[in-house]
Amino acid sequence: KAGVTQTPRYLIKTRGQQVTLSCSPISGHRSVSWYQQTPGQGLQFLFEYFSETQRNKGNFPGRFSGRQFSNSRSEMNVSTLELGDSALYLCASSGPEGGRYEQYFGPGTRLTVT
Amino acid sequence: QKEVEQDPGPLSVPEGAIVSLNCTYSNSAFQYFMWYRQYSRKGPELLMYTYSSGNKEDGRFTAQVDKSSKYISLFIRDSQPSDSATYLCAMSKSPNYGGSQGNLIFGKGTKLSVKP
Repeated sequence: KAGVTQTPRYLIKTRGQQVTLSCSPISGHRSVSWYQQTPGQGLQFLFEYFSETQRNKGNFPGRFSGRQFSNSRSEMNVSTLELGDSALYLCASSGPEGGRYEQYFGPGTRLTVT
Repeated sequence: QKEVEQDPGPLSVPEGAIVSLNCTYSNSAFQYFMWYRQYSRKGPELLMYTYSSGNKEDGRFTAQVDKSSKYISLFIRDSQPSDSATYLCAMSKSPNYGGSQGNLIFGKGTKLSVKP
């Protein structure tokens, strides 16, 4: 079974730009979560989507948004990039019922904002 | 005070040593505890999942939970160079992932290096 895939793996953007990251969950998984990982703050929860609906949201500004498609693939968007948005963005899927912590993480997208 | 505290290390031990990794937490609503391992340039992977206070063993790994002290530990016996990674504790209020109660709160991770 293929794992969680994320594209692109690396990205360099300029302050003020926007960026879209993509995540394909494991086949059959309907829950997709996004996390931001930085050395200073660690792993922080951004949001979770289940069956195309946002089910949970972390404490991030509205510049961070996401969506999920009918095939469970998910995208997250960050508008008006700031230097502090430089981080590893991780996507994790679980399911098929969003079950007991068997979350599977992708390798992440390393975003650098200059 | 952060909800979950974890010493970031780094921790360096010789091969074969017993490793002890720890987290403390402040919110007594946390009932479910996990340990993840993250290799360089990879996403975290679930190692252990525990609920009740006490010990849970899986091969060379033992997870320990002390809810009265709000303290969890991961022990690695006979450590190997392949155990070199960052170990993250995580916890939740719900047994099932997802929804407002199922959010995972992670520690910052402890970087472990096992020297041959």
